[in-house]
Amino acid sequence: EMQLLESGGDLVQPGGSLRLSCAASGFIFSDYAITWVRQAPGKGLEWVSAISGSGGSIYYADSVKGRFTISRDNSKKTLYLQMTSLRAEDTAVYYCAKGPSAVAGMGRGWYDCWGQGTRVTVSS
Amino acid sequence: EIGLTQSPGTLSLSPGERATLSCRANQSVSNSYLAWYQQKPGQAPRLLIYGASSRATGIPDRFSGSGSGTDFTLTISRLEPEDFAVYYCQQYSTLPRTFGQGTKVEIK
Repeated sequence: EMQLLESGGDLVQPGGSLRLSCAASGFIFSDYAITWVRQAPGKGLEWVSAISGSGGSIYYADSVKGRFTISRDNSKKTLYLQMTSLRAEDTAVYYCAKGPSAVAGMGRGWYDCWGQGTRVTVSS
Repeated sequence: EIGLTQSPGTLSLSPGERATLSCRANQSVSNSYLAWYQQKPGQAPRLLIYGASSRATGIPDRFSGSGSGTDFTLTISRLEPEDFAVYYCQQYSTLPRTFGQGTKVEIK
């Protein structure tokens, strides 16, 4: 069974940093692009960042570009999101989600497996 | 960036009724690169439909998707108690990927 498990969410002060992790199991991790999607309290879904299966192609939403860094370690079957210069508007549940192929930027960009999410709260 | 507008915001229906949810894009979604997700409170989203009309693995056939270009529809033919949830559309035609704001299907 395919599974994704996020961790690393916490309460952090504005301007602070945090690293989220997403551990995968049940599928060949390097064969699939993975995406971070977030959901602010009581709000809808927002695409944050995506990385191809090899890690060679990376994409960011404008709202996080220059502050967040996505990466993956295929040997550890783990995805990361390094978040810096955090703002109150970054407060959300962060989900990692698996795409149907190794490609992140072209078509086939739906998400067929999601983690349970990890909560990030940015507040003083 | 492709903007997606879902309507209605809330749909109040009874079990057994038909639900029709709309997702409209502000520009054409090429190749019908549109997906639908269901989300229940406290849970992650679940993929229902991709490619505008293809059901994901394990999704009951009471869920169907249709549409192309800028207008897409998710239909639930007969609502079951477990179908009351929030539904989101998502386009993957361009980057950044974008989601609609959601339609809540609630029990009347």
